[in-house]
Amino acid sequence: GIQVEQSPPDLILQEGANSTLRCNFSDSVNNLQWFHQNPWGQLINLFYIPSGTKQNGRLSATTVATERYSLLYISSSQTTDSGVYFCAVESGTASKLTFGTGTRLQVTL
Amino acid sequence: KAGVTQTPRYLIKTRGQQVTLSCSPISGHRSVSWYQQTPGQGLQFLFEYFSETQRNKGNFPGRFSGRQFSNSRSEMNVSTLELGDSALYLCASSLVTVETQYFGPGTRLLVL
Repeated sequence: GIQVEQSPPDLILQEGANSTLRCNFSDSVNNLQWFHQNPWGQLINLFYIPSGTKQNGRLSATTVATERYSLLYISSSQTTDSGVYFCAVESGTASKLTFGTGTRLQVTL
Repeated sequence: KAGVTQTPRYLIKTRGQQVTLSCSPISGHRSVSWYQQTPGQGLQFLFEYFSETQRNKGNFPGRFSGRQFSNSRSEMNVSTLELGDSALYLCASSLVTVETQYFGPGTRLLVL
């Protein structure tokens, strides 16, 4: 099956800093989503982005499908951004998401 | 519009017992997926239902089963619980395919 790798695995930032999270996938995809899991376990959908660029406030994402990677940018980070960020993909007609191992982000004051 | 709801939120069972978890999707959503999250294996797909039909199943033993009702609500069942079944079980709903999935708060299952 398709493999999804995320980097870095852990990231510690001071409030106000910017960061870039990366997601590499091993095959072509027809669906790519970024999620944020808060400390209580709730997964929040950030972007549906199988290709191209999207922005939502301080967050933006870019997927280069031909090169099989996606990037999530967080600008002016806040403590509420802490948690784990997951990239998930769907390949072919699988009708399921395959998740990466996540990037654990901690934003400190 | 109300989000995805899951019940119960927390559950403690002993080995050998069985458990049923429930998921109510967002109104109008017809696809419901289930995932298991553990520290060792991460987030793994269990199964996906659409219009009461299982469309896809992950690589889990037959002890894990599920179903979907005509109102799109879904249940999953785990029989003969093992210690390794302790996990956060997440349900997600979407309109038709798994495009833009919305997750519920999860059910934390502890097997003793």
